[in-house]
Amino acid sequence: GAGVSQTPSNKVTEKGKYVELRCDPISGHTALYWYRQSLGQGPEFLIYFQGTGAADDSGLPNDRFFAVRPEGSVSTLKIQRTERGDSAVYLCASSPGTSGTQYFGPGTRLTVL
Amino acid sequence: AQKVTQAQTEISVVEKEDVTLDCVYETRDTTYYLFWYKQPPSGELVFLIRRNSFDEQNEISGRYSWNFQKSTSSFNFTITASQVVDSAVYFCALSFTSGTYKYIFGTGTRLKVLA
Repeated sequence: GAGVSQTPSNKVTEKGKYVELRCDPISGHTALYWYRQSLGQGPEFLIYFQGTGAADDSGLPNDRFFAVRPEGSVSTLKIQRTERGDSAVYLCASSPGTSGTQYFGPGTRLTVL
Repeated sequence: AQKVTQAQTEISVVEKEDVTLDCVYETRDTTYYLFWYKQPPSGELVFLIRRNSFDEQNEISGRYSWNFQKSTSSFNFTITASQVVDSAVYFCALSFTSGTYKYIFGTGTRLKVLA
């Protein structure tokens, strides 16, 4: 079956702009996670959704970051007033339940100039 | 503190050599999960194994094997007879059995298998 998909695969933007990153989880997976991976580092947790609600957003670095999952499937990570330090690969993962193994998408590479 | 340490930043081996990737974790939880993922140059994280803290049995899957030792908080990964296609960054991760189930990743070990 289809895996987790993320669009766009690459996004280049200018400092101060707004960006949206999309994640389409595996069909039927109720849990969805966003992580951020900087060069040479392991992924770091940003936010977790169980269904439509954000059950844990403790990893979001500041209030410029926001994510939604309005129908319990597709999720969008939104970043306002982008900064150069936001440049990273943003990974999305889904799992069939709250304690299931997470399956990752290919990521979106965000570059802020 | 909840933490995963992968002390080996980069390892180079010649094809057909065996190689072990180390993972040490810290947690106060008595139940937890441990994982290994592979990240090839394409960038996508590929799931390799999940281990429940209650299950200390070692596991073998083809050329891959995992050694879980709760007494030393280690979950090491061995590749036998390495191949060039094994070249990738390997991540160890820790998760929990309550709360958000988010992963805590190590910094990864880059494995280079030379032909």
